[in-house]
Amino acid sequence: KQEVTQIPAALSVPEGENLVLNCSFTDSAIYNLQWFRQDPGKGLTSLLLIQSSQREQTSGRLNASLDKSSGRSTLYIAASQPGDSATYLCAVDNQGGKLIFGQGTELSVKP
Amino acid sequence: GAVVSQHPSWVICKSGTSVKIECRSLDFQATTMFWYRQFPKQSLMLMATSNEGSKATYEQGVEKDKFLINHASLTLSTLTVTSAHPEDSSFYICSARDSIAGSGNTIYFGEGSWLTVV
Repeated sequence: KQEVTQIPAALSVPEGENLVLNCSFTDSAIYNLQWFRQDPGKGLTSLLLIQSSQREQTSGRLNASLDKSSGRSTLYIAASQPGDSATYLCAVDNQGGKLIFGQGTELSVKP
Repeated sequence: GAVVSQHPSWVICKSGTSVKIECRSLDFQATTMFWYRQFPKQSLMLMATSNEGSKATYEQGVEKDKFLINHASLTLSTLTVTSAHPEDSSFYICSARDSIAGSGNTIYFGEGSWLTVV
């Protein structure tokens, strides 16, 4: 059974710092891995999707990497801003659209 | 871009009543939709897979008679919480998979529905 773990559970950083969020999964037979952002009381915003054959994806200040063999992914946020404050969720798809989510990392960026 | 519309966004109901939540794919066809539940400060947990024209597939521990799922068309799935109780209060969110070949089976999420049972 696939299990997804995110570390840390919460993170508080001053504005401008670069930071890394970690995601690990137990079953390496995945279709893809996706990082989402969730603001309080809101739905999900897809940030980056990495196919199983890819190693990384970039969008603006965000970079996500995938190492299937070790069951790990990282989300790198450069030059963090207060507007980046949210919960970041990692999810793996290993059965045609059924996403297994991690517990999330609650990020707070202080001005 | 593709959009999934979920309605209602917020609903308050009395214990014992039933509540229906709709999930619509607005500009694509979705033979498969997924329903998730999220309790406060917790992650999303998959409840069931909704298949157009056939019965839903429920995850272990999810009561199929309590959470009725209907996927009558290629663009609409509904989740009905029957005989709701306060412990059913949660954030319910759906996702839909673009069925068209070449779409990469991209998954799109709705905005979610907050259910409060009083």
